[in-house]
Amino acid sequence: DQQVKQNSPSLSVQEGRISILNCDYTNSMFDYFLWYKKYPAEGPTFLISISSIKDKNEDGRFTVFLNKSAKHLSLHIVPSQPGDSAVYFCAASPLRGYALNFGKGTSLLVTP
Amino acid sequence: KAGVTQTPRYLIKTRGQQVTLSCSPISGHRSVSWYQQTPGQGLQFLFEYFSETQRNKGNFPGRFSGRQFSNSRSEMNVSTLELGDSALYLCASSSGLAEETQYFGPGTRLLVL
Repeated sequence: DQQVKQNSPSLSVQEGRISILNCDYTNSMFDYFLWYKKYPAEGPTFLISISSIKDKNEDGRFTVFLNKSAKHLSLHIVPSQPGDSAVYFCAASPLRGYALNFGKGTSLLVTP
Repeated sequence: KAGVTQTPRYLIKTRGQQVTLSCSPISGHRSVSWYQQTPGQGLQFLFEYFSETQRNKGNFPGRFSGRQFSNSRSEMNVSTLELGDSALYLCASSSGLAEETQYFGPGTRLLVL
């Protein structure tokens, strides 16, 4: 069963605008959440993470929001750039450093 | 610091054969996790090794096994290959402690014919 769900397989955004990628999870034991970015033929690259004690974490153009009551998190990219075009995976684990449960990914295309 | 390295990068095997994949973690990292990525199932956790011991295991059949050596390098073995084993196999390393993120290698692309 898929415990982490990314319901949008793809997203297209214009350069300079905001990209919002969403993720839902079902396991209330998940305590640590991450976003990875993946280019073709490469492994996932860690982007940003958030633990359940926070509801927001920012790193430059990337912000992750966590709503524990709704079991929902989102990644905001502002402003979006063409180089952000990649597949974005949401992941969760009950403990930081332990086995990650991944969503199936959202393919983001940022157009000039 | 060098990143996670995986060898080989590409592999073609036939059904019934076995295969061994290798992963060298980031220097100083003691935990290595393996994941399988397929178009239909996404990224799925296989197992994790920490200090030469399997610490976590995903929901894969016994044909999938692994081990870790004293230098933290890890190998994954798949026996009696099936067509459905065609996938990108990724390994990730971390310090293994509670405060560390996992960092991924480039993966090994396995094609089973």
